[in-house]
Amino acid sequence: DQQVKQNSPSLSVQEGRISILNCDYTNSMFDYFLWYKKYPAEGPTFLISISSIKDKNEDGRFTVFLNKSAKHLSLHIVPSQPGDSAVYFCAASGKGGGSNYKLTFGKGTLLTVNP
Amino acid sequence: DSGVTQTPKHLITATGQRVTLRCSPRSGDLSVYWYQQSLDQGLQFLIQYYNGEERAKGNILERFSAQQFPDLHSELNLSSLELGDSALYFCASSVGLGVPPYNEQFFGPGTRLTVL
Repeated sequence: DQQVKQNSPSLSVQEGRISILNCDYTNSMFDYFLWYKKYPAEGPTFLISISSIKDKNEDGRFTVFLNKSAKHLSLHIVPSQPGDSAVYFCAASGKGGGSNYKLTFGKGTLLTVNP
Repeated sequence: DSGVTQTPKHLITATGQRVTLRCSPRSGDLSVYWYQQSLDQGLQFLIQYYNGEERAKGNILERFSAQQFPDLHSELNLSSLELGDSALYFCASSVGLGVPPYNEQFFGPGTRLTVL
């Protein structure tokens, strides 16, 4: 049972345009969400996060939006650059059970930004 | 460079064998996490240690075990290996228990295990 879903395995955009990566979750106990970026042959790198008490968090070209009622979050990259080409993982954490704050990851979306 | 180191980078072994993966967390981080990434799978959480004690368990098989030593480095032991255990194994570390908003985890480069 996948609690964090990234339904698009891949996304291709032109340099300078907006990239929108989507993530859905099913567990209403999740209250903190993170995005990680992963280049080949490297470990994931933290990108941006958002608490469930907010609906938007911005950091430079990266903005994460959270829609709690829809259990949906998205990562916007504007403008997209070729160096943004990577796999993006959505992750969630929350209270409950014996693994209170463990991160649950989606399967990732491969973003390709074409020059 | 995240500050988390993992050895070895690559490991090739045969079915039925046992291997040990090693992880050194970032300086000052007390929590160590282990993840498995198989083909078509996201990062599957295996286990977390905090300051030497097991803190949380995920989808870790009984054939797998881990420990965190007094110097805070951690080892993941995989035994009776099967073909399906071939995967990337990542170690991550964090400050404290990973309570938001400080639950950002820093990942090592991973160990690629191939079971033939």
